[in-house]
Amino acid sequence: DAGVTQSPTHLIKTRGQHVTLRCSPISGHKSVSWYQQVLGQGPQFIFQYYEKEERGRGNFPDRFSARQFPNYSSELNVNALLLGDSALYLCASSFWAGNTEAFFGQGTRLTVV
Amino acid sequence: DQQVKQNSPSLSVQEGRISILNCDYTNSMFDYFLWYKKYPAEGPTFLISISSIKDKNEDGRFTVFLNKSAKHLSLHIVPSQPGDSAVYFCAASDYNNNDMRFGAGTRLTVKP
Repeated sequence: DAGVTQSPTHLIKTRGQHVTLRCSPISGHKSVSWYQQVLGQGPQFIFQYYEKEERGRGNFPDRFSARQFPNYSSELNVNALLLGDSALYLCASSFWAGNTEAFFGQGTRLTVV
Repeated sequence: DQQVKQNSPSLSVQEGRISILNCDYTNSMFDYFLWYKKYPAEGPTFLISISSIKDKNEDGRFTVFLNKSAKHLSLHIVPSQPGDSAVYFCAASDYNNNDMRFGAGTRLTVKP
């Protein structure tokens, strides 16, 4: 069975640019969450989507947005990139939105120069 | 606002011995706790979880203990194996908020 897949695996962008990261959840999972992990810290929650609706939003600026498609895949968009946006972006899928195990993809390493 | 804390950045143990990783939390609304393991260049891998209605959960070599009054949980690995060497993250969530709060992680090294 395919796990959570994220694309691309690595990305280099320039300050001020826009980026789109993609995630395909485990088959049958209806919830996708996005996390940002900077070096030396644990993952920080950005968004959760369940059944195509936003169910939670972390403490991130409006430059960050996301959506979930009918096939439950998801995109994370970041506008007006800053150097501080450089991080590992993780996608996690789970069967539902409540207290449950979430399974992570390998992440997208974003570098902003 | 760090609601989940792992105060030991690193831990080194001998193969075959017990590894004990600790985690403290401040938010009394948390009612579900998870441990993840992370290898370099990979996403976190789910290990074990525990609901606040329990104080212990076992899965093979891994046991998680929850002390709600102390707002403390621990992960015990017995016996430790070199393949267990990784960064371990503690995470917590509550039913009303659809996010997980993670600690900063503890790097475990198991020496042969």
